[in-house]
Amino acid sequence: EPEVTQTPSHQVTQMGQEVILRCVPISNHLYFYWYRQILGQKVEFLVSFYNNEISEKSEIFDDQFSVERPDGSNFTLKIRSTKLEDSAMYFCASSETGLTSGSTYEQFFGPGTRLTVL
Amino acid sequence: AQSVTQLDSHVSVSEGTPVLLRCNYSSSYSPSLFWYVQHPNKGLQLLLKYTSAATLVKGINGFEAEFKKSETSFHLTKPSAHMSDAAEYFCVVVYGGSQGNLIFGKGTKLSVKP
Repeated sequence: EPEVTQTPSHQVTQMGQEVILRCVPISNHLYFYWYRQILGQKVEFLVSFYNNEISEKSEIFDDQFSVERPDGSNFTLKIRSTKLEDSAMYFCASSETGLTSGSTYEQFFGPGTRLTVL
Repeated sequence: AQSVTQLDSHVSVSEGTPVLLRCNYSSSYSPSLFWYVQHPNKGLQLLLKYTSAATLVKGINGFEAEFKKSETSFHLTKPSAHMSDAAEYFCVVVYGGSQGNLIFGKGTKLSVKP
């Protein structure tokens, strides 16, 4: 069964460094998302991406964050200068259709990348 | 702000007994509601979804949920718990007009005792 994959599973970085989290969505999916979960807190939406542009982003997704689909398979989240508070589990998700498709709508999630900022 | 509340952070049941995980959402026009499950070191897996069709929704592994608009609830149930049901469960809402911004509850950890 096709699945969303994410690499690495765990990333440790120093404060101020740039990190790139990588995701390979399901191959025929057109909509892509990033979420994060700080330890002990809710899963929070960061950004959605469709047709090579951001379609929605949350307040968390400030200028330190960027997303890119550099080729036909990868979807990346870059954090330019990491802060201690960026430490979290980051989940990538993808969906074949948009929300307006109704009953067929579903986001498929990857296993997550645990980012630790020291 | 739109939100979803899971009333219990931890539920413990014995194998073979019913499961009830509670969820309430903030009222809004045309919400879609989901339950996701997360087993340790695994991604979030969709259990079931409500998208304005039948109010009683059946999902995988014998789980069901009922959308009750008057109570703004979407509780998850299963008649008989199995050891493999032990996991964390997330109630999730997305509102019409969103571009897929799923709003998560804090999660309920389900423990199943033999």
